Amino acid sequence: LAKTTQPISMDSYEGQEVNITCSHNNIATNDYITWYQQFPSQGPRFIIQGYKTKVTNEVASLFIPADRKSSTLSLPRVSLSDTAVYYCLVVSGDAGNMLTFGGGTRLMVKP
Amino acid sequence: EPEVTQTPSHQVTQMGQEVILRCVPISNHLYFYWYRQILGQKVEFLVSFYNNEISEKSEIFDDQFSVERPDGSNFTLKIRSTKLEDSAMYFCASRLKTGTSSPLHFGNGTRLTVT
Repeated sequence: LAKTTQPISMDSYEGQEVNITCSHNNIATNDYITWYQQFPSQGPRFIIQGYKTKVTNEVASLFIPADRKSSTLSLPRVSLSDTAVYYCLVVSGDAGNMLTFGGGTRLMVKP
Repeated sequence: EPEVTQTPSHQVTQMGQEVILRCVPISNHLYFYWYRQILGQKVEFLVSFYNNEISEKSEIFDDQFSVERPDGSNFTLKIRSTKLEDSAMYFCASRLKTGTSSPLHFGNGTRLTVT
């Protein structure tokens, strides 16, 4: 599975857009990119996933360039409740079963 | 929205005791997982389970661990003889299928404290 690299932590202020970039240089053709969010003392929660270009849902957008070696999670107008750890995962499209979590990015949203 | 539920939310046990952590996955899901997270550390994969057998397991999942789906709804993790280093949050997860965009749904975990 492709290894992912993302910043350990980020700070932002309420109302700002936050972009968290993840590198996955060894992503395979059939892999797709998934992001999870984790609040303290809770299980990770699925946010968004994509294969290429741009995906948007009610929570976030995911931008994936043509070479797919990186991806950017974009959170529009963050609030204090978006303070959490955000994990980027590369998931095998070939009947991938196990998900491997890295260290994630700890986002702190300040008032 | 259907949820993965885990019980108990907290479990305190003495070293050497057996514990069973319980999970009710989402009802139509076919793949089941256990992960753990030691305080301040990464979420670590333990085991995956499909069609009543283990699909994959990590090095952490040694002979002290076992999983079972005793009926159509529950999925359990047993630790036979707990050690201090087993203290962690244990998360159960389920998904509908693999190989395509079928995300994992996690429960809110059981905090296991071994004294």
